[in-house]
Amino acid sequence: GAVVSQHPSRVICKSGTSVKIECRSLDFQATTMFWYRQFPKQSLMLMATSNEGSKATYEQGVEKDKFLINHASLTLSTLTVTSAHPEDSSFYICSARDFTGGPGDTQYFGPGTRLTVL
Amino acid sequence: DQQVKQNSPSLSVQEGRISILNCDYTNSMFDYFLWYKKYPAEGPTFLISISSIKDKNEDGRFTVFLNKSAKHLSLHIVPSQPGDSAVYFCAASVRRNKLVFGAGTILRVKS
Repeated sequence: GAVVSQHPSRVICKSGTSVKIECRSLDFQATTMFWYRQFPKQSLMLMATSNEGSKATYEQGVEKDKFLINHASLTLSTLTVTSAHPEDSSFYICSARDFTGGPGDTQYFGPGTRLTVL
Repeated sequence: DQQVKQNSPSLSVQEGRISILNCDYTNSMFDYFLWYKKYPAEGPTFLISISSIKDKNEDGRFTVFLNKSAKHLSLHIVPSQPGDSAVYFCAASVRRNKLVFGAGTILRVKS
């Protein structure tokens, strides 16, 4: 149980375009999902917390107009990188918090999306 | 300000022996701690967690120890297997809020 999927797994786009990444909890309902970013050889940095039916909470330094988050249902959250630039190239990972069977507030992670902006 | 620290960037262990991964934290408000395992270009996989009201939690080959007075936790893997080779992250949270991750430790288990 507690499976989280992400789509796409890899995307290459031209500078200036927008890219949408989907995060789904497959076998549980997630009222809260999280979006992280990982640079090479570094830890995961939380970008924003997404609550179903409400606006996302962004971490300090993360541009909310650039990284649009939508959490329209209990199993789906999307991250849209708008007007992407090469410096946005990174590994984006989502997680979902399982309150239905896991040990309380464990986050389960998706496999990640590698974004490359040319 | 790094609230969760993993001071050993890497660790090499012989197959069958014990692997001990360490993690220190500075925020005394943390009340939930987790260990994740991560392979390159994949998302982290949850391994084991511990609440601040406990000092030990065991799950198969994995045991997490928490020393609140020292603000230190460790993950023991016994016996270590080559498939355990990965990056291990410790993470902590306050009142079930967002997770704060350490920088990770690369574990290499040699056969």
